[in-house]
Amino acid sequence: DAKTTQPTSMDCAEGRAANLPCNHSTISGNEYVYWYRQIHSQGPQYIIHGLKNNETNEMASLIITEDRKSSTLILPHATLRDTAVYYCIVRVADNAGNMLTFGGGTRLMVKP
Amino acid sequence: DAGVIQSPRHEVTEMGQEVTLRCKPISGHNSLFWYRQTMMRGLELLIYFNNNVPIDDSGMPEDRFSAKMPNASFSTLKIQPSEPRDSAVYFCASSPGGARTGELFFGEGSRLTVL
Repeated sequence: DAKTTQPTSMDCAEGRAANLPCNHSTISGNEYVYWYRQIHSQGPQYIIHGLKNNETNEMASLIITEDRKSSTLILPHATLRDTAVYYCIVRVADNAGNMLTFGGGTRLMVKP
Repeated sequence: DAGVIQSPRHEVTEMGQEVTLRCKPISGHNSLFWYRQTMMRGLELLIYFNNNVPIDDSGMPEDRFSAKMPNASFSTLKIQPSEPRDSAVYFCASSPGGARTGELFFGEGSRLTVL
């Protein structure tokens, strides 16, 4: 799996957009970008994933650069409940081995 | 909908004792995963099953660890004998597979403390 690089921590003001970057410069053509988050004392939670097009759902938006070497997860209006560790993972989406390898992630602190 | 259900939520045991962690995946999901999380090593994949069959157990730390999935609605992770370094939060997750491969649904975890 392609390795990802994320900042260790970030702060965001409540109500503002949180933009979480991820570098995956060695990503292969058949690898998807997945985002998960883990709120303190809970299990990780799936947020969104994409291949090359930008994606949006009720939780967030995912912007993938044209060369696919980096992506940004956007939480449009961050709330205090969005304080969590956010993991960016790249993985081939096949049925033979849909394992996800979690790195260190970005610790997002949303402040009042 | 009920999510992934794990038990016990907390377990405190003494070194050398057997520990059994249990997991009930989401109905209809065909893949099940066991992860372990510690401060030092983060989230580590231990083993995963596809259609009740173990596919990759390369993450299982040693022979003291074993996992079974006797049917589609139940899995166990057993540690025998337990050691203090096994203290961690153990997460079970399930996935629907198919077009939603990669979407893992995690339980709330079992926090194990081995004294």
